[in-house]
Amino acid sequence: SQKIEQNSEALNIQEGKTATLTCNYTNYSPAYLQWYRQDPGRGPVFLLLIRENEKEKRKERLKVTFDTTLKQSLFHITASQPADSATYLCAREEQTGANNLFFGTGTRLTVIP
Amino acid sequence: DAGITQSPRHKVTETGTPVTLRCHQTENHRYMYWYRQDPGHGLRLIHYSYGVKDTDKGEVSDGYSVSRSKTEDFLLTLESATSSQTSVYFCAISADRPNEKLFFGSGTQLSVL
Repeated sequence: SQKIEQNSEALNIQEGKTATLTCNYTNYSPAYLQWYRQDPGRGPVFLLLIRENEKEKRKERLKVTFDTTLKQSLFHITASQPADSATYLCAREEQTGANNLFFGTGTRLTVIP
Repeated sequence: DAGITQSPRHKVTETGTPVTLRCHQTENHRYMYWYRQDPGHGLRLIHYSYGVKDTDKGEVSDGYSVSRSKTEDFLLTLESATSSQTSVYFCAISADRPNEKLFFGSGTQLSVL
């Protein structure tokens, strides 16, 4: 089966530093990966989608990379702020054209002032 | 939350009773999804819909049924609730392509006693 793993359950980082979150996948290489943010008691919020032919994608202080050789996506938040504290989820499609999106269990990021 | 309303927000019910959760969207998006979120499992797809009266099963569909008679409404029914269905249920929608850039509702906390 196609799996996706976020190795760190929790990550603490000092305000102003760059936070780096990791997402690893197995078996079939997805056509794209997605990152979402989830705050307690709320639904996930879409942040970024990166396709397999894109090495890197940016949105404001966010950057995502997609390495098909390592089967890994990295999610960076530069100049982190306490407001960035949340759980971040990565997601992959089951396989091309399939109708299931697999989500990782998330990494809970805490930015310490 | 991108024009998605889930109702109820919280529900407590007894084992064996039927339960219906409602998802209503005002975005006129074609694709709708029901997920459940449990600790240690992440988000898992229950059912999805690609249009009115076009629904299909997801990863964890046993014990659940859905209906979509109008573009804006997607109902999730637990025919006979069990304690294992205690969870947080999220509805999501997407516009252009299935499984890309999902917008989630605020969730329904369901407790089956």
